[in-house]
Amino acid sequence: DAGVIQSPRHEVTEMGQEVTLRCKPISGHNSLFWYRQTMMRGLELLIYFNNNVPIDDSGMPEDRFSAKMPNASFSTLKIQPSEPRDSAVYFCASSVGSQQFFGPGTRLTVL
Amino acid sequence: AQSVTQPDIHITVSEGASLELRCNYSYGATPYLFWYVQSPGQGLQLLLKYFSGDTLVQGIKGFEAEFKRSQSSFNLRKPSVHWSDAAEYFCATSSNDYKLSFGAGTTVTVRA
Repeated sequence: DAGVIQSPRHEVTEMGQEVTLRCKPISGHNSLFWYRQTMMRGLELLIYFNNNVPIDDSGMPEDRFSAKMPNASFSTLKIQPSEPRDSAVYFCASSVGSQQFFGPGTRLTVL
Repeated sequence: AQSVTQPDIHITVSEGASLELRCNYSYGATPYLFWYVQSPGQGLQLLLKYFSGDTLVQGIKGFEAEFKRSQSSFNLRKPSVHWSDAAEYFCATSSNDYKLSFGAGTTVTVRA
């Protein structure tokens, strides 16, 4: 199994630009999570999908952030417009049951 | 809401020495408890987990953890550390809804 796949691995963009992060969960997993990791705040859950439906988006920072899961094998996290304070590593994880498997992350730098 | 505390931000240990990383949880019922490891530039890998049953849990890479309800702790141990164990370690907890709450992490440095 390839594990959770995230793309791109690194993204550098300028303030105000739209950023789209992508995630392919492990086949058969029915839950998908987006996390953000920063030095200041550690690992934070942004949003949680179950069977492609958003269950909890209370961790999404603000309206600039949106996430979709159009099917069981694909999810996106979009930031529009991006700001320097969005610079972080964004992780996608998938699970079936209580064990989450993490992708390698996308390191986002907003200049 | 459940939470975990990792009191040690950074630990340095000699190769071959034993390692213990502390984790304290706050939760009314018995939580699900996890230890993850993150190597530089990598995602998180599950080392071990505790749901119920035997309070001493064996994980991968020679790690083990012990759940102590009386102390609200779930400390991670390894008898003999290898240089490849240098990484950041996260304790996490979740309730039945699978939402993980992570501790701040402990960075382990291994000296030769």
